[in-house]
Amino acid sequence: ETGVTQSPTHLIKTRGQQVTLRCSSQSGHNTVSWYQQALGQGPQFIFQYYREEENGRGNFPPRFSGLQFPNYSSELNVNALELDDSALYLCASSASRGNNEQFFGPGTRLTVL
Amino acid sequence: GQNIDQPTEMTATEGAIVQINCTYQTSGFNGLFWYQQHAGEAPTFLSYNVLDGLEEKGRFSSFLSRSKGYSYLLLKELQMKDSASYLCAVRDGLGDYKLSFGAGTTVTVRA
Repeated sequence: ETGVTQSPTHLIKTRGQQVTLRCSSQSGHNTVSWYQQALGQGPQFIFQYYREEENGRGNFPPRFSGLQFPNYSSELNVNALELDDSALYLCASSASRGNNEQFFGPGTRLTVL
Repeated sequence: GQNIDQPTEMTATEGAIVQINCTYQTSGFNGLFWYQQHAGEAPTFLSYNVLDGLEEKGRFSSFLSRSKGYSYLLLKELQMKDSASYLCAVRDGLGDYKLSFGAGTTVTVRA
């Protein structure tokens, strides 16, 4: 059983560019949540996908968007990058929406210059 | 919204006990979680409480009082590898089951 994987590990972009981050959920998990973690802070909820549909969204602007695919893998897209978007982006999968345990991937470290 | 508070830093000696407190004010409540996060790594699940009381799992225990909006994580027989950030998170259960995290408590274990 493979765990949650994310790609790429690190990424450097410049202001105004667009980025796509990818997440493969753990086998058997149909729910994926995305979080942004700034340095020294706890993760902040961006949105959750359940069976290919958005199932809740945090306080992030529309330039943060996502997708979930039939195999339950997911993408996070960020348009018009800003300096404050520099953070660790974490993906977490769970066996269902209400499941107690979310398994986090290793994260993608995004730096915006 | 959610307001979750925990101390920023704690230091303890190897073999000792440390208690990390977490207080929360949330619009809904459907469980409180504790995660451990080593520097540069993903958070890993430690414990889950939804009813009042103490949950024990090896060297780690977690306590919840819903009426007080209070939880603590107790780490016993501290080891050097326990040096990490400990995150308190609340699930609001209002349909999307998102987790709202505190800023984390950095625990440093000294020899």
